[in-house]
Amino acid sequence: QKEVEQNSGPLSVPEGAIASLNCTYSDRGSQSFFWYRQYSGKSPELIMSIYSNGDKEDGRFTAQLNKASQYVSLLIRDSQPSDSATYLCALNFGNEKLTFGTGTRLTIIP
Amino acid sequence: DTGVSQDPRHKITKRGQNVTFRCDPISEHNRLYWYRQTLGQGPEFLTYFQNEAQLEKSRLLSDRFSAERPKGSFSTLEIQRTEQGDSAMYLCASSLADREAFFGQGTRLTVV
Repeated sequence: QKEVEQNSGPLSVPEGAIASLNCTYSDRGSQSFFWYRQYSGKSPELIMSIYSNGDKEDGRFTAQLNKASQYVSLLIRDSQPSDSATYLCALNFGNEKLTFGTGTRLTIIP
Repeated sequence: DTGVSQDPRHKITKRGQNVTFRCDPISEHNRLYWYRQTLGQGPEFLTYFQNEAQLEKSRLLSDRFSAERPKGSFSTLEIQRTEQGDSAMYLCASSLADREAFFGQGTRLTVV
């Protein structure tokens, strides 16, 4: 069973601080990694994709991938109240379906 | 707007009725996914298509569920003889191969 695991939270972070979200996975053959943001009652919105080891930065967001340790993380710098949402980690285990974790609920405290 | 489109956005149905949802993917995307999401859970995979071929179906997808993607364009998901446990958000997403997948706004189903 190929799995994606996330800490469900809630994770509370003061406004302006760095929020760190983590995801581990079970299959070393995974090729594609994604982070989605989901506001309550809305559908998931893609915020980052990463395909190779290392860091990828996009604005206040940085995705970090370590295939040897089988984890992918998302850092949110200068956290804003509008970042309060559930963050979903998703992987494509090769030429297969997209598999999601259960999500981490993030709350930014003003 | 050329994003993923789902219809209807909301559906309330009586137990035992059949419902059908439609998904129009981003036009150049060859993969189309259906997921179901309940409160506090991540999206659960139901099925996916590559072009018109249905490549995988979850064990969650009972005989009451059927999905089609004629001609590799839009897709429909039908639920027959709905049960209260079918109440959920049904999400459609599309992607180009195993690249980024983009979701539609979802169809919220309530079975009463």
